[in-house]
Amino acid sequence: NAGVTQTPKFRILKIGQSMTLQCTQDMNHNYMYWYRQDPGMGLKLIYYSVGAGITDKGEVPNGYNVSRSTTEDFPLRLELAAPSQTSVYFCASSYSPKGFIGYTFGSGTRLTVV
Amino acid sequence: AQSVAQPEDQVNVAEGNPLTVKCTYSVSGNPYLFWYVQYPNRGLQFLLKYITGDNLVKGSYGFEAEFNKSQTSFHLKKPSALVSDSALYFCAVRDADYGGSQGNLIFGKGTKLSVKP
Repeated sequence: NAGVTQTPKFRILKIGQSMTLQCTQDMNHNYMYWYRQDPGMGLKLIYYSVGAGITDKGEVPNGYNVSRSTTEDFPLRLELAAPSQTSVYFCASSYSPKGFIGYTFGSGTRLTVV
Repeated sequence: AQSVAQPEDQVNVAEGNPLTVKCTYSVSGNPYLFWYVQYPNRGLQFLLKYITGDNLVKGSYGFEAEFNKSQTSFHLKKPSALVSDSALYFCAVRDADYGGSQGNLIFGKGTKLSVKP
């Protein structure tokens, strides 16, 4: 059982470069989420999706974009990387509210922008 | 608005002593409450949850938490701490009565637990 898979695990970007963080889940969860974790700040929601074709902004969406073309995949796109986007990024998934029993998290992507 | 507070940035405990990591929450309706643990350079792992039923919830690795509705708290406890329990602990809440963005989990800032031998 793979659960939630994130790639890459580590990445160094130069300012202004772009990249896509990949996230795939095999649990047939409707809901998927992207969080960033900064020291002492907990987890901040970037974007979330309630199903294929439907996405919405979270608390800190600026500088990011997402798409959800399938139930399984929820990639996060950084278009013009900035030092402020240096962080650890976590993808998570869950059932819809009626069947909600919590999130399953990926192992994270550690991104450094220099 | 939903919120969750973990008032302690760090908790220090001697191995073998009981530990408590505090969490208080605020939601409009009924809460779903969670504890997650994060070991260094790892993702968040589910520890335990309160959805409904008994106020005392038992989870992985000997941890438990008590849901206290009057005090809006969900403190994490363990009778005898181990050095291997040292990690970052996150409390999270969502409002059970809402969907959409209000159905998302809200996380606390995390509490670093340090257990010394």
